[in-house]
Amino acid sequence: AQSVAQPEDQVNVAEGNPLTVKCTYSVSGNPYLFWYVQYPNRGLQFLLKYITGDNLVKGSYGFEAEFNKSQTSFHLKKPSALVSDSALYFCAVYSSYKLIFGSGTRLLVRP
Amino acid sequence: DAGVIQSPRHEVTEMGQEVTLRCKPISGHDYLFWYRQTMMRGLELLIYFNNNVPIDDSGMPEDRFSAKMPNASFSTLKIQPSEPRDSAVYFCASSFSGLLMMGNQPQHFGDGTRLSIL
Repeated sequence: AQSVAQPEDQVNVAEGNPLTVKCTYSVSGNPYLFWYVQYPNRGLQFLLKYITGDNLVKGSYGFEAEFNKSQTSFHLKKPSALVSDSALYFCAVYSSYKLIFGSGTRLLVRP
Repeated sequence: DAGVIQSPRHEVTEMGQEVTLRCKPISGHDYLFWYRQTMMRGLELLIYFNNNVPIDDSGMPEDRFSAKMPNASFSTLKIQPSEPRDSAVYFCASSFSGLLMMGNQPQHFGDGTRLSIL
């Protein structure tokens, strides 16, 4: 069965520092991977996706993600964090016309 | 485009009452998904439709839950009778399968209905 795991419930970083939110996947075949962000009292917003091609995917709000097939990982990254990046982040894998979401990682960026 | 529209945004009702949640997907999207989010269980897929037809309802927790999509621009999720453990945020999402008829396009979420059953 397809699945993703987000090993960290929360990530804390200082504003201006680089951030990484981790995601590992387990799929049969080629993975289609997604990152979403959820702000308080809002729905999930699409950040970026990996379907094929370049292993470094660029997305919205300066975020990028690196697909690593050998480590079965798809970590979300940003070179310089902003306080406004504080939110809940979900990794997801596509499976049979639906998305399987991870448990989410809360990112807290302190001023 | 206005995005996925859900109503109501908040619903508070007493146990045993019927609850109806509504969703208007983005025009032109052919997939519609209903999710439930709780602290304990995270984000759960309840049911999804393709071209107004229910495809997979294996996530619907009990027979008290039902969903319909009478046309391409409207869907409902109904709980009857409601119970306190149904309290959660319910999200609707839609997506377009794309030219290659694949479902791996981004899903667009509404802002959810926060449901509280007393």
